[in-house]
Amino acid sequence: AQKVTQAQTEISVVEKEDVTLDCVYETRDTTYYLFWYKQPPSGELVFLIRRNSFDEQNEISGRYSWNFQKSTSSFNFTITASQVVDSAVYFCALSEALRDDKIIFGKGTRLHILP
Amino acid sequence: GAGVSQSPSNKVTEKGKDVELRCDPISGHTALYWYRQRLGQGLEFLIYFQGNSAPDKSGLPSDRFSAERTGESVSTLTIQRTQQEDSAVYLCASSLAGTEPDYGYTFGSGTRLTVV
Repeated sequence: AQKVTQAQTEISVVEKEDVTLDCVYETRDTTYYLFWYKQPPSGELVFLIRRNSFDEQNEISGRYSWNFQKSTSSFNFTITASQVVDSAVYFCALSEALRDDKIIFGKGTRLHILP
Repeated sequence: GAGVSQSPSNKVTEKGKDVELRCDPISGHTALYWYRQRLGQGLEFLIYFQGNSAPDKSGLPSDRFSAERTGESVSTLTIQRTQQEDSAVYLCASSLAGTEPDYGYTFGSGTRLTVV
């Protein structure tokens, strides 16, 4: 069965520090998608990235980077030089693309960036 | 519309009453999803509609929960005989393609349901 585990419930770092949010997933399928979403205090969910299981190349977008390792079933998210506006709950998610489309979310990591 | 629209944004209801939550997906989006987010928790999948296929109801927590969708448009989530444990934010999302959500889902702002 598909499962997403975000072991870090809550993290606090001081502004400008780098921080990595961990995500470990389980799936029976060889074809799947991984996602990260951000939920700021306002509550809306903001899509950050989608990665398919055949593309293990790491992704960088500005201060954000993602490390996908199939060998450890992990899809970790790093924020470099964190800013107060990065404070939010971050969700990692998984979709077994050939089975159906529903996305299963982890429980989220609440990130506090302290000024 | 420009985004996924949900109504009402807030709903307070008495225990035992029925409620209907509405979702207007982005025009042309074939897939529609309902999730529930309890306070401080992650998102729980409830139900998924894709075109004219039978919906995936595997996430509905009890037979008090049901959902309908007319074609590829509006969906309603109905909770009968509400319980306090139903209090949560109910999120709707839609996506363009049923099998390749290459930009993820677009979520609505949710309906905050409070059962008193």
